[in-house]
Amino acid sequence: GESVGLHLPTLSVQEGDNSIINCAYSNSASDYFIWYKQESGKGPQFIIDIRSNMDKRQGQRVTVLLNKTVKHLSLQIAATQPGDSAVYFCAENHWRDDKIIFGKGTRLHILP
Amino acid sequence: EAGVTQFPSHSVIEKGQTVTLRCDPISGHDNLYWYRRVMGKEIKFLLHFVKESKQDESGMPNNRFLAERTGGTYSTLKVQPAELEDSGVYFCASSLNTGDASTDTQYFGPGTRLTVL
Repeated sequence: GESVGLHLPTLSVQEGDNSIINCAYSNSASDYFIWYKQESGKGPQFIIDIRSNMDKRQGQRVTVLLNKTVKHLSLQIAATQPGDSAVYFCAENHWRDDKIIFGKGTRLHILP
Repeated sequence: EAGVTQFPSHSVIEKGQTVTLRCDPISGHDNLYWYRRVMGKEIKFLLHFVKESKQDESGMPNNRFLAERTGGTYSTLKVQPAELEDSGVYFCASSLNTGDASTDTQYFGPGTRLTVL
């Protein structure tokens, strides 16, 4: 069945270093993937997305990589800052089906 | 522009009581979604409205949950009677309805934390 999962529940990164958050998905029919950031007391906030016909997309300090061969998605955050501390969710969507399927989330800790 | 708002932010009720959660989507967004996250689990889809019509309610756990969106504006989610396992955070999201999920970004509200004792 469908599933979107995360390899690690927590990730600790030194301030200024790059962060890489990984995600695996199992539904090969998924054609749209999203990364969300959730800070304490807030709802998930859209960060970046990628369609299945792409393998890389860049935003401001963030890059999403998609490897359809191994059904793997990653979020790279450059020069991690204290404000990046949050739980990050990968999610998938199919164009015929509006509902988003979320993974369990990875908590990112920034070390001073 | 105001984002998605939800009321209340927290609700503590006893088992067997009724609770009604409210969501006000972003103005102009025809799509409205309810999701919830129970302790230790991932965020799960509950249902999807397009304007006032239920497009997909496949995620609703049982008939104790009733969602409405009269007039196609705000939505309510009522739990009656509430059970212990209903505790969690209930999120609402809204998006435009262009028909392309990659452009109809879902914007989430802050959630309502429901605790059933």
